[in-house]
Amino acid sequence: NAGVTQTPKFQVLKTGQSMTLQCAQDMNHNSMYWYRQDPGMGLRLIYYSASEGTTDKGEVPNGYNVSRLNKREFSLRLESAAPSQTSVYFCASKPGTYTEAFFGQGTRLTVV
Amino acid sequence: DQQVKQNSPSLSVQEGRISILNCDYTNSMFDYFLWYKKYPAEGPTFLISISSIKDKNEDGRFTVFLNKSAKHLSLHIVPSQPGDSAVYFCAASALWGGATNKLIFGTGTLLAVQP
Repeated sequence: NAGVTQTPKFQVLKTGQSMTLQCAQDMNHNSMYWYRQDPGMGLRLIYYSASEGTTDKGEVPNGYNVSRLNKREFSLRLESAAPSQTSVYFCASKPGTYTEAFFGQGTRLTVV
Repeated sequence: DQQVKQNSPSLSVQEGRISILNCDYTNSMFDYFLWYKKYPAEGPTFLISISSIKDKNEDGRFTVFLNKSAKHLSLHIVPSQPGDSAVYFCAASALWGGATNKLIFGTGTLLAVQP
């Protein structure tokens, strides 16, 4: 039982490059989330998806786009990476409203 | 504007003593609260939760208290163990716009339990 799987685990990008962070869950959860973790800032919500076909902005959506491809997959795209997007990115999923979220292991992204 | 705040960046306690981690929130729409634990280079893992209809929830050594009027919750760990040393995040959940389930985290508190 894999849970929430994120790929890649590490990535270095040059400023202006684009990339997509992948997230997949095998728990049949409805809601999925993308967070970034920065020192002193905690976990900040970038985008979330209540169900397949719907996405909503979180606290820090600028510079990112997302796609809820199907119930299992929720990808995060950086169209033109900036050094300010250097961070650890976490994907999470949860089955319902009053339940806990399950997290992936994270993607450490460095933009130089 | 930070909707969920953990004002103590770090906390140090002796093994066997009580650890108390605090969290404040600003939005009265939040109706479900959670605590997570995070070790370095790992994803956060769920510890304990509480619904807004309760004021206390207990699970083994972990107890969460909710004071809705003060918009404050706390996590008590008794007794504290060295393995509890980690970053602790509180989180708050609400149905936003009537349907979408938003989950907001605080800034975290680094707990160090000294042997």
